[in-house]
Parts: sequence; C-alpha cells; structure tokens
Amino acid sequence: EDKVVQSPLSLVVHEGDTVTLNCSYEVTNFRSLLWYKQEKKAPTFLFMLTSSGIEKKSGRLSSILDKKELFSILNITATQTGDSAVYLCAGDSWGKLQFGAGTQVVVTP
Amino acid sequence: GAVVSQHPSWVICKSGTSVKIECRSLDFQATTMFWYRQFPKQSLMLMATSNEGSKATYEQGVEKDKFLINHASLTLSTLTVTSAHPEDSSFYICSARGGPDSNQPQHFGDGTRLSIL
Repeated sequence: EDKVVQSPLSLVVHEGDTVTLNCSYEVTNFRSLLWYKQEKKAPTFLFMLTSSGIEKKSGRLSSILDKKELFSILNITATQTGDSAVYLCAGDSWGKLQFGAGTQVVVTP
Repeated sequence: GAVVSQHPSWVICKSGTSVKIECRSLDFQATTMFWYRQFPKQSLMLMATSNEGSKATYEQGVEKDKFLINHASLTLSTLTVTSAHPEDSSFYICSARGGPDSNQPQHFGDGTRLSIL
C-alpha cells in the first residue's frame, strides 16, 4: 500500500528561524515528489522533484529528493509570518498524487 | 500561468439536493483533471480522475453514482454530488494537469466548501 509520511506534524518557530520539513514515501511506480503550501484554501504548487540530489530553490524555499532513501526535505530560511501554512508533500504514482498528512508551520512575530 | 478556477466557493443546501461544482483551467488546456475531498485537519484524498472525452476513473470506495463527473472539454470538469446528505459535507478540491504525461504538476482550484443541512 502506498504511503507518504510527513514529520513533524506541527511546529511553531519565531520569525527569522530556519525550518526543515521531512517527507518519506513508499509509492509504487514512483515518478516524482511534489511539495505544496496550503493556507486557507487549496494547495499552491511549490516544487516537483524527479531526480535525486538536485536541489530546487525558490527564494527562501529549497527542496531536495533522495530516491535511494525514499526521502525529501523542504527547507525554509529566514521564516516570515506569511510562511505560516500547512505544507503538503505528495508522491506521484501512475500520474496520481498520494498526499501526506501535512506539516503545520506557525511562524510567530 | 496555470490558473485553476473552482466555483462555487461555498454551498449550503438542504439534504436531498444535488450540487454541481465546476472546475476550469483558465490559461491552459487540461487533459486530466482530478477531484479530491478533504476533511478537517486531514490531507487530500483522491476521489476520481477524469480525462477529457472519456469516463472518469474512481478510487476505491467512491460511489460513482453519487459523485458524477463530467469532463466535456479541455478546460472544464464538473462534479455533481447527487442527493447530498450531511455526511457528504466536506471540502472538495479539483486540480488540473496540462499535457498527457505526469511530468507536469497538478495545479489546484480554491476548493468548494459543501455544507449539507
């Protein structure tokens, strides 16, 4: 059975801190690992990772995939209150996404 | 780019009513659209995959007669919750992917909050 596990479930940090979110996956016919940010409404696409060891960056966010260990991390540096959200990772299997439960990040001023 | 619009945002209706939710890709052609359901504090659960011009593929446990999906064009898919009951109350989200291959990410609509009284 496919599964995607995210940790931690929730964390609270101060503005300016760095956070690291973890995602482990067991997905049949794995194609890619995706990260999304969900605030009040629907998820916003962040990254899609297909190759091991290649870091993707977008501003203060970065992510990397380890296909040997079936693992991905999402880093957020110099956090801001606007980074507060639930961060979802999903494994793409046969073109369908299997989502993890998400990590709730709260950034306090 | 890659904007997906979902309508309506919120629906409140009486038990027994059928509710239609629309999902549109505004600036790209979506050969494949997906419908998800999300309960409070839980992650997204895939309900069905719809490909333009063909029947939707439903996930195990999802009643196809209850959740009717139509994907009549490359920019529009609809989900109709037939004879809705309180247990159908949930957050429904669609996503769309351009192109036939999954090397394109899914982009999500803003979701529809359905409340059945």
